[in-house]
Amino acid sequence: EDKVVQSPLSLVVHEGDTVTLNCSYEVTNFRSLLWYKQEKKAPTFLFMLTSSGIEKKSGRLSSILDKKELFSILNITATQTGDSAIYLCAVVPSRDTGANSKLTFGKGITLSVRP
Amino acid sequence: KAGVTQTPRYLIKTRGQQVTLSCSPISGHRSVSWYQQTPGQGLQFLFEYFSETQRNKGNFPGRFSGRQFSNSRSEMNVSTLELGDSALYLCASSPGGAYSYEQYFGPGTRLTVT
Repeated sequence: EDKVVQSPLSLVVHEGDTVTLNCSYEVTNFRSLLWYKQEKKAPTFLFMLTSSGIEKKSGRLSSILDKKELFSILNITATQTGDSAIYLCAVVPSRDTGANSKLTFGKGITLSVRP
Repeated sequence: KAGVTQTPRYLIKTRGQQVTLSCSPISGHRSVSWYQQTPGQGLQFLFEYFSETQRNKGNFPGRFSGRQFSNSRSEMNVSTLELGDSALYLCASSPGGAYSYEQYFGPGTRLTVT
């Protein structure tokens, strides 16, 4: 069974700090890893990572995948109170059809950024 | 483009009842997936529909079922509700093509079973 483990489970930092969120996985026939941010409502898409070693970046957020060691990290620099949320990672297995495939999510990391 | 919409947003039911939740995907998206989110288990995949057919199914009992209509709107039904079914139910849509891994989530339906 596919498995995704995120750590730490929760984190409290102060504005301006840099945080690193971890996601490790065990999945047969890995295809991609996705990061989502969930505030009070729906998760919103952040990054999709498919290739090892290539950093994806969007403003203060960046993420990288290590397919050999089976993990990904999400970095947030110069954190702001608006970064407070649950950060979810999910893995997408390969599929043998043209169809979409089910995502396996980690339990999420709750980040609280204090002023 | 309008986002994914879910109705109702909140629902309170009693044990033994059944419930139907609705999801309208983004226009043009043909795949709809359903997830259950609880504090203890996180987000768990229920099932995915594409072109009115169930393509993938998670590890939930048969009390959980769904369907998809020709306009891609989807419904999820839970029969004989149990207290443990209290959760946030999220649906997500995607184009459904060969490389459409990115899913767009709706706001969810918060179901409370008493």
